[in-house]
Amino acid sequence: NAGVTQTPKFRVLKTGQSMTLLCAQDMNHEYMYWYRQDPGMGLRLIHYSVGEGTTAKGEVPDGYNVSRLKKQNFLLGLESAAPSQTSVYFCASSYSRQGWDTEAFFGQGTRLTVV
Amino acid sequence: EDKVVQSPLSLVVHEGDTVTLNCSYEVTNFRSLLWYKQEKKAPTFLFMLTSSGIEKKSGRLSSILDKKELFSILNITATQTGDSAVYLCAVVRAGGTSYGKLTFGQGTILTVHP
Repeated sequence: NAGVTQTPKFRVLKTGQSMTLLCAQDMNHEYMYWYRQDPGMGLRLIHYSVGEGTTAKGEVPDGYNVSRLKKQNFLLGLESAAPSQTSVYFCASSYSRQGWDTEAFFGQGTRLTVV
Repeated sequence: EDKVVQSPLSLVVHEGDTVTLNCSYEVTNFRSLLWYKQEKKAPTFLFMLTSSGIEKKSGRLSSILDKKELFSILNITATQTGDSAVYLCAVVRAGGTSYGKLTFGQGTILTVHP
């Protein structure tokens, strides 16, 4: 079972470069999330989506954009990377329209370094 | 703005000790509270709590929710070195604006010495 898959797993960017992180889930979940994790900061919500075609801002959205064109995919974009965006990024998904709650399932993370 | 506060931020104990981790929250339209364990990679799920006063148990771990006082506790009895990890608490919103939003606390770092 694949669950939640993030690509890439590691990336080094130069300041000003752009990139897209891809999150894919095969559990037919409605909700998807992007978090960043920095030392001592827990998981901070960047953007989230409660369904195909919808997105909403989390706690730290600046410098990031997202899209959810297909239900199974949630893309996180960095238009002009900055060193402050060096972090570990986690994608998660949860909730099914079948009427039952699920816990959030996480991808394995993407370690991004901006130099 | 949703708020999830965990305490203590870090805890050092010896094997065999019992620990209690706390999570308090302020969220509009509460749906559920989740506990996760994280060991250097993706968080792994421990418990989901939606109703007050019903204890969830898994081996040496247990958790309970108090929706009136807006907090949850995670207990670990007879701790082992393998329990060393960051424990994360999160809350999910139900209806209204921002439904489905999943907000985490800053985590409690637990270190268990032999």
